[in-house]
Amino acid sequence: AAGVIQSPRHLIKEKRETATLKCYPIPRHDTVYWYQQGPGQDPQFLISFYEKMQSDKGSIPDRFSAQQFSDYHSELNMSSLELGDSALYFCASSLRLGDQETQYFGPGTRLLVL
Amino acid sequence: QKEVEQNSGPLSVPEGAIASLNCTYSDRGSQSFFWYRQYSGKSPELIMSIYSNGDKEDGRFTAQLNKASQYVSLLIRDSQPSDSATYLCAVLNSGYALNFGKGTSLLVTP
Repeated sequence: AAGVIQSPRHLIKEKRETATLKCYPIPRHDTVYWYQQGPGQDPQFLISFYEKMQSDKGSIPDRFSAQQFSDYHSELNMSSLELGDSALYFCASSLRLGDQETQYFGPGTRLLVL
Repeated sequence: QKEVEQNSGPLSVPEGAIASLNCTYSDRGSQSFFWYRQYSGKSPELIMSIYSNGDKEDGRFTAQLNKASQYVSLLIRDSQPSDSATYLCAVLNSGYALNFGKGTSLLVTP
């Protein structure tokens, strides 16, 4: 079965640079979530989109922005990168079913900021 | 802050034994609960979802939910070394994002 696709899988950036992470949800899924997982930490919710509109916002820094496009893929744009942004970034997709919704995670993008 | 609490472990069990993982949550209005397995450096993989009080079984895995006690657990029967991983308890919040616990590290020894 098709899974969530994320690109790139690995990314190395310098401080103050920008980065763009991409997420392609499972076909027919209408909702995308972004999570950040620092070393030894649990995943933290950043932002979500449902039917191309922002659905909910978590602990996303103002330096980050995201959007969902007409084909349902999503991009997370990160500017003025800081050392503390080094983390695994996961995208998850789901079919919006309310309380019965199940999220499936992509393989993640490992971002290293030097 | 809506919290999800787990014992960080490590929980060590011998191969073939039952592993019992526990989780408590603070938001009494929560309706949806999930267990994810995560190997080091990999993405969370859904093991079980549970929405109603009681037990739900899927192969070697059983999830148990007690909303009155705000408690959810995962039992792994006939534990295998390949089950060694971090198990994340997650609760769906009102915006449909997942609040995760910090995870319990499970080690199954041959």
